[in-house]
Amino acid sequence: TQLLEQSPQFLSIQEGENLTVYCNSSSVFSSLQWYRQEPGEGPVLLVTVVTGGEVKKLKRLTFQFGDARKDSSLHITAAQPGDTGLYLCAGVGTYKYIFGTGTRLKVLA
Amino acid sequence: DAGVIQSPRHEVTEMGQEVTLRCKPISGHNSLFWYRQTMMRGLELLIYFNNNVPIDDSGMPEDRFSAKMPNASFSTLKIQPSEPRDSAVYFCASSFSSRMEQYFGPGTRLTVT
Repeated sequence: TQLLEQSPQFLSIQEGENLTVYCNSSSVFSSLQWYRQEPGEGPVLLVTVVTGGEVKKLKRLTFQFGDARKDSSLHITAAQPGDTGLYLCAGVGTYKYIFGTGTRLKVLA
Repeated sequence: DAGVIQSPRHEVTEMGQEVTLRCKPISGHNSLFWYRQTMMRGLELLIYFNNNVPIDDSGMPEDRFSAKMPNASFSTLKIQPSEPRDSAVYFCASSFSSRMEQYFGPGTRLTVT
């Protein structure tokens, strides 16, 4: 069974701080995606990483796929209240599309 | 373009009643997914269809749950009979293929009393 564990589960920080969210598995994925979900809405895709070691940047967000394609991280620089939400990683495996356990981020003004 | 459309947005029903959730995927997408989200269990994949055919239903909790996709533009998730533990937000998502970006609908918040 492929599982995706995210850490931390909850994070409350002040505006301007940096943070990193981790997504870990013992299984290899062909690609990994990060979504953000706001209250009352469905998740929305932020990025897809495909190659081991790949780094992608989306403004203040930096995403990295582990060399072995088993883990990923999301780093946010100078967090803003608009970054508040639930961050979900999703692994695309052989026969499964699996979502991580989620990291609930709150950025205080 | 319209995104994934789900109805109803909210459903409150009594235990034992039948509940039907509806989804219209984005036109041209050939994969459709049903998820359930709760605080305790997170986002769980219930079933997904490819070209209207159910591919993986291993996430369907039990026989009380059933899903159909009679054509490329419509799918239903039915719970009969419903139980309080079925209370959750149910999402439908669609994509061009099962391995590509998924576009989620706004969800249906189900409350079973």
